[in-house]
Amino acid sequence: DTGVSQDPRHKITKRGQNVTFRCDPISEHNRLYWYRQTLGQGPEFLTYFQNEAQLEKSRLLSDRFSAERPKGSFSTLEIQRTEQGDSAMYLCASSFRQGYMNTEAFFGQGTRLTVV
Amino acid sequence: EDQVTQSPEALRLQEGESSSLNCSYTVSGLRGLFWYRQDPGKGPEFLFTLYSAGEEKEKERLKATLTKKESFLHITAPKPEDSATYLCAVQATGGFKTIFGAGTRLFVK
Repeated sequence: DTGVSQDPRHKITKRGQNVTFRCDPISEHNRLYWYRQTLGQGPEFLTYFQNEAQLEKSRLLSDRFSAERPKGSFSTLEIQRTEQGDSAMYLCASSFRQGYMNTEAFFGQGTRLTVV
Repeated sequence: EDQVTQSPEALRLQEGESSSLNCSYTVSGLRGLFWYRQDPGKGPEFLFTLYSAGEEKEKERLKATLTKKESFLHITAPKPEDSATYLCAVQATGGFKTIFGAGTRLFVK
């Protein structure tokens, strides 16, 4: 399967614990995005990488959230001191920049986080 | 502020009953408009990209169109397997993020 892969698919954690999610993008894609989606809403942008550089971060993202993309390959999203409001589906997507145009983004299956 | 509004929130159709979904957008400069399909518990699946007003794209029973203020996703003779949430998203010039609407939940019986 050469699509976007996310791990784990489901995570249940206690409030206050730290969690880390992993995303493996499509191999030739140089752009990687993280989104958060709650029930009945569309995906909400969190952050964006081009290769290993984090170029944009949503102002909605508190300092408890951090993302990395070492060597421009896989990416991790860490949430520290989780809160019940962090419960959501966390989606990763990747795309390829070709000149001025950005090709469409392909999404992974997401990681469903439940904070109890 | 860039914004995407989709209507209706939910749409119930009989099999074979054609209809359209609307996506209204406000963006400083449009780089691209995207349509995705999302099944419950899964990530969005890419359908179309539209770049400029007047552009149209088709795939099976789906056809997407774009004007300067809105996009339509036309569904011709839908089947039960077309039941899903359809998401519209825009990417503005000068930035990298893609802004999604809340989606239209389509039920075909």
